[in-house]
Amino acid sequence: AQTVTQSQPEMSVQEAETVTLSCTYDTSESDYYLFWYKQPPSRQMILVIRQEAYKQQNATENRFSVNFQKAAKSFSLKISDSQLGDAAMYFCAYRSARETSGSRLTFGEGTQLTVNP
Amino acid sequence: DGGITQSPKYLFRKEGQNVTLSCEQNLNHDAMYWYRQDPGQGLRLIYYSQIVNDFQKGDIAEGYSVSREKKESFPLTVTSAQKNPTAFYLCASSPRTGPFTRGTQYFGPGTRLTVL
Repeated sequence: AQTVTQSQPEMSVQEAETVTLSCTYDTSESDYYLFWYKQPPSRQMILVIRQEAYKQQNATENRFSVNFQKAAKSFSLKISDSQLGDAAMYFCAYRSARETSGSRLTFGEGTQLTVNP
Repeated sequence: DGGITQSPKYLFRKEGQNVTLSCEQNLNHDAMYWYRQDPGQGLRLIYYSQIVNDFQKGDIAEGYSVSREKKESFPLTVTSAQKNPTAFYLCASSPRTGPFTRGTQYFGPGTRLTVL
């Protein structure tokens, strides 16, 4: 079974600075998807970024980018120019590309990010 | 607007009662999911459905039931058999096609269930 590990329960960053959140996963599959979701105090899960394992290029979305290291099974999220609105719980998630998996996501335990003014 | 709606936002249940949480989507997504989130923890999968009239148990299905009679609707019933139902419940949906969205799950705003 796949597992996702986020080793940093809490992180903090100064406004306008850069922060990196770590995520590692364990799988025997070669084709899969990885995601970062953000959960602000409203508790709605918001998709931040998506990476397909067969693509070597790291995904980027504005101030958010990932460092995807397939061999190391590592998927870190970098937030540049941090803003107060980035404060939230961040979840890393894995999804197999196999149709028989039902597209189910496996989540890590989350990293609580605090942004200091 | 396209999206996923969940109702109610807050729900209170007495011991021994069954309650049903609503989840509706107008995104034309094939797959739908229910997750449970306890304080300070990640999400755990309760049930999922990839197609109308079909659904599968997730990791913590005991004490819950679902139906999928329509593509846009996937209600979750929390039965009296669920011993500790107080939690935050999130519904999600996912398209099966699309180069940039396939397999991505999009979430509703959630329902907070409290047992009195």
